[in-house]
Amino acid sequence: QQQVKQSPQSLIVQKGGISIINCAYENTAFDYFPWYQQFPGKGPALLIAIRPDVSEKKEGRFTISFNKSAKQFSLHIMDSQPGDSATYFCAASKAQAGTALIFGKGTTLSVSS
Amino acid sequence: GAVVSQHPSWVICKSGTSVKIECRSLDFQATTMFWYRQFPKQSLMLMATSNEGSKATYEQGVEKDKFLINHASLTLSTLTVTSAHPEDSSFYICSAREYQGARTEAFFGQGTRLTVV
Repeated sequence: QQQVKQSPQSLIVQKGGISIINCAYENTAFDYFPWYQQFPGKGPALLIAIRPDVSEKKEGRFTISFNKSAKQFSLHIMDSQPGDSATYFCAASKAQAGTALIFGKGTTLSVSS
Repeated sequence: GAVVSQHPSWVICKSGTSVKIECRSLDFQATTMFWYRQFPKQSLMLMATSNEGSKATYEQGVEKDKFLINHASLTLSTLTVTSAHPEDSSFYICSAREYQGARTEAFFGQGTRLTVV
């Protein structure tokens, strides 16, 4: 009930291409779905987050697509750049402030120039 | 976004000593903060939930006597690793959630790299 499954484990994309990372959750009580970017030796940085009342959210080159019935959500990085090379984590939780995030296992993205 | 500051960024200590890590929410109040542990090339694992003015809630398998948590104010939580051993070497990260309208965004500190020698 508490798992968040993330795929792929690693991803190599050409510069300018689209990077797609997928996540699936089990707990239907979850209503907050963020994505984080983490560089080596640094804490995770919030990229973008979505609530289940919308099916898509876009911020710059980053888009979350959300499918409530399938309990899946994905991150799309358009026009991928070498600077996007990092580890990306999806997470899920209830939206209340006292609730911890449950993380996926992460995806290591490498954007080749 | 909101800022969560963690100190120190890295620390090396001798086996058997204790180490304290501080986590501060700089521009918002956090009645609850979270402590995670991350091993190399792995995901973040929740260790405990820190509650202001009350006892922390520990996840299964986390020793509460080894990882002491104190949440003395609405902007500060501390994690003390007591009698540290090499197997406690890891990356420790704190988090807090901030209300932004109807949502609560979760922000993370920069992490603390603990090396026990």
